[in-house]
Amino acid sequence: GNSVTQMEGPVTLSEEAFLTINCTYTATGYPSLFWYVQYPGEGLQLLLKATKADDKGSNKGFEATYRKETTSFHLEKGSVQVSDSAVYFCALSERNYGQNFVFGPGTRLSVLP
Amino acid sequence: ETGVTQSPTHLIKTRGQQVTLRCSSQSGHNTVSWYQQALGQGPQFIFQYYREEENGRGNFPPRFSGLQFPNYSSELNVNALELDDSALYLCASSFSGANQETQYFGPGTRLLVL
Repeated sequence: GNSVTQMEGPVTLSEEAFLTINCTYTATGYPSLFWYVQYPGEGLQLLLKATKADDKGSNKGFEATYRKETTSFHLEKGSVQVSDSAVYFCALSERNYGQNFVFGPGTRLSVLP
Repeated sequence: ETGVTQSPTHLIKTRGQQVTLRCSSQSGHNTVSWYQQALGQGPQFIFQYYREEENGRGNFPPRFSGLQFPNYSSELNVNALELDDSALYLCASSFSGANQETQYFGPGTRLLVL
């Protein structure tokens, strides 16, 4: 079945540091890939997405490129801020009998001032 | 444009009881999915509703059931509650079309089973 693997957290960085959160996936077909962010006590917010190989999703300084050859969708940001502290979830979606999302376990990011 | 809303925000039940959670989908969306998120874990797919019918189901027992109404809002019902049902329940809405749909999530209902 489909699955998503993320790097283990927590990740602790200083403000303005470079961020990478690794994500790899297993899928039977051609999924769309997503990053969602969850702030404390809240639901999930869509951060960015990519729907086909070599697409780059970007939003709020975050970027991720859909790499079919390595089945990866790593999240990057050049300079993190304290306000980026949250849990980040990588997910895939593949149309089959009922489209549903398969989420990774999440990576907690803490950014220190 | 109104986003996805869920009610109630918090709920406490005892083992064996039944619970109903509600979700209003985002304007223009016709598909609703439900997820269970245990503490410290990623969301797990429960089921999806499209045009008032179940359109996919994850690995959850039949005591988890749902409904979708003509206005595309939805309910999640859980019977015979167990302690392990304690979790954040997330509703997500989307518009089913030819391409992969993006799901937009509500804030969730936090259920505690004692």
